[in-house]
Amino acid sequence: DADVTQTPRNRITKTGKRIMLECSQTKGHDRMYWYRQDPGLGLRLIYYSFDVKDINKGEISDGYSVSRQAQAKFSLSLESAIPNQTALYFCATSDLTGYENEQFFGPGTRLTVL
Amino acid sequence: QKEVEQNSGPLSVPEGAIASLNCTYSDRGSQSFFWYRQYSGKSPELIMSIYSNGDKEDGRFTAQLNKASQYVSLLIRDSQPSDSATYLCAMESGYSTLTFGKGTMLLVSP
Repeated sequence: DADVTQTPRNRITKTGKRIMLECSQTKGHDRMYWYRQDPGLGLRLIYYSFDVKDINKGEISDGYSVSRQAQAKFSLSLESAIPNQTALYFCATSDLTGYENEQFFGPGTRLTVL
Repeated sequence: QKEVEQNSGPLSVPEGAIASLNCTYSDRGSQSFFWYRQYSGKSPELIMSIYSNGDKEDGRFTAQLNKASQYVSLLIRDSQPSDSATYLCAMESGYSTLTFGKGTMLLVSP
């Protein structure tokens, strides 16, 4: 089984709809991250969480919210989707040990907002 | 603003050659650097991490870090067509977050 899973893998929705993307991990990592990737813009950090009680905004948090339901689960919500939120979304996890902060990515969710 | 710069490419090399991918970064205080490989439509996969000046080798891959010049590189020896992908350079940018470059596309021709 994959260590980091994301659901759904593909989603098409309409402008104004609320949508939730879910991420689960079995790696036992404390830290979880949400990124979006757009052609020509690279990976950009949306939100990150170091434990269930810790939520932090990233570079591009406007229009998004998150929930850390458990150590293993981190969800990203778009309250009212708009077309420029069409992108590839990735969840990642990491476990800080010494100097290491290697992040491991889920398979991604391709989101299209019409 | 913390930035990571990469040439977008494509970098084209013949099979069996050495591919050299380069990255510069803006934050002199960054301590940790990472190379990811990403196939089209897939998720980034960690290849190498490097924290100290000098070279770090893992199989066909060698990462090089020069903190004085704020420069990180990845060498791929004996390049294979299966190495064709986009390579992302990333630096740790505080609070255990990463800043990614936009990636360099590598094409290895048979």
